[in-house]
Parts: sequence; structure tokens; C-alpha cells
Amino acid sequence: RKEVEQDPGPFNVPEGATVAFNCTYSNSASQSFFWYRQDCRKEPKLLMSVYSSGNEDGRFTAQLNRASQYISLLIRDSKLSDSATYLCVVLYGNNRLAFGKGNQVVVIP
Amino acid sequence: SAVISQKPSRDICQRGTSLTIQCQVDSQVTMMFWYRQQPGQSLTLIATANQGSEATYESGFVIDKFPISRPNLTFSTLTVSNMSPEDSSIYLCSVYFSVGAGYTFGSGTRLTVV
Repeated sequence: RKEVEQDPGPFNVPEGATVAFNCTYSNSASQSFFWYRQDCRKEPKLLMSVYSSGNEDGRFTAQLNRASQYISLLIRDSKLSDSATYLCVVLYGNNRLAFGKGNQVVVIP
Repeated sequence: SAVISQKPSRDICQRGTSLTIQCQVDSQVTMMFWYRQQPGQSLTLIATANQGSEATYESGFVIDKFPISRPNLTFSTLTVSNMSPEDSSIYLCSVYFSVGAGYTFGSGTRLTVV
């Protein structure tokens, strides 16, 4: 079983709509969780950390469910500039990151 | 957050040759890492570059194939040795700077082996 699993999509989203996706992780000892954004042919960039109580950053909301071992990301009022691949990233105790393949989001005008 | 300069940004190499990728950080960082991202795949950690000691390699990666140097807290190199077409990939360095900044990545090296 992969350490971090994501449905690659693509997720075709009309501009202004809301899109949500999850990722699941296999190791219950995971310490920290992140969503990274990766544009085509670019390096991943930190979008937001994911906290146990859930957190928002503008139009983006992240949730963590430790019992079910999944993390979610919700994007409200989608913009064309939100088109990217969103990587679910899990940190283990020895400073080792595990990455999902990413959820590809395409925002359509 | 840290600013990372990674070079070369891309290269096309002949099989059997070696390529060294450089990663320069604008501030001292304890943790530096090298990743590979193959087409359509997730990022895979190759090794952790340790300053003053040998790198720590992940399962499936060995020092003879991917020698790493870390002479100080701001610089590291990764060499892809005796390349084959299967080594065609994007290679990225990464650093951990602070809790707030998380992990920052270099812009990547797109390697094509022919």
C-alpha cells in the first residue's frame, strides 16, 4: 500500500465553483501534514500546513481526520489561477516527507 | 523562507556519463534533501544530505549511483552516475528552514538521458 494516496483526477472545475479532494495516509505515526501546490514544470510550493483542528487560508480550507487517516483540501470560489496539481504531503518522525501523486485541478472559464 | 538556487535547470546527457547537480541556499540550513520526480509519479526521497558525514540513502538508492556532497550548511551536490534512460527525471533539492516556512524546494533539474 502506498504511503500517501491521492486520486490524480483531473478535477475539472467551473470557475467560481467549489472543489474538494482527499488524500489518505497509511502510517498512523505521521506527525505533520501539508498541502503543496505544483504548477506544470515547476517545483512544489507550500500551500498550507494542516492542523488537527482544521484551518483556513482565504479560499482554502484543510481538514485532518487522524482516526480515518485522511486529509482534505477544499477550494472555494475557484479561480483560473488555481489550476495546478495539489500534493498531499506527510511528515514522519525522522524528518522524512512522503508525497502523494497529486490531485490535478483544472479550472474552466 | 530560504531561497534555493539549483543548477543546471535542464540537461540532455549521453548514457554512461555522469551529471552533477548543485544546490545553493542563501542561509544556513541543517536539513537538506534530494528528491526525484519521474513523469506522472510522486516525489521520491533519494537521500538526506548530512553536513560533515555521509548522506543517508533511502531504500532503492545507493551511494555509488547517487553520490552526494555536503561540504557546508549552504551547499550540496547530487551526482547521477553512469546514466541510463531510466534516470530521465526531475531532480529537486529541498531544505527544511523553519516550522513556518516548511520544506522549500529548488526549481529542479530536468534530466533527459539519451
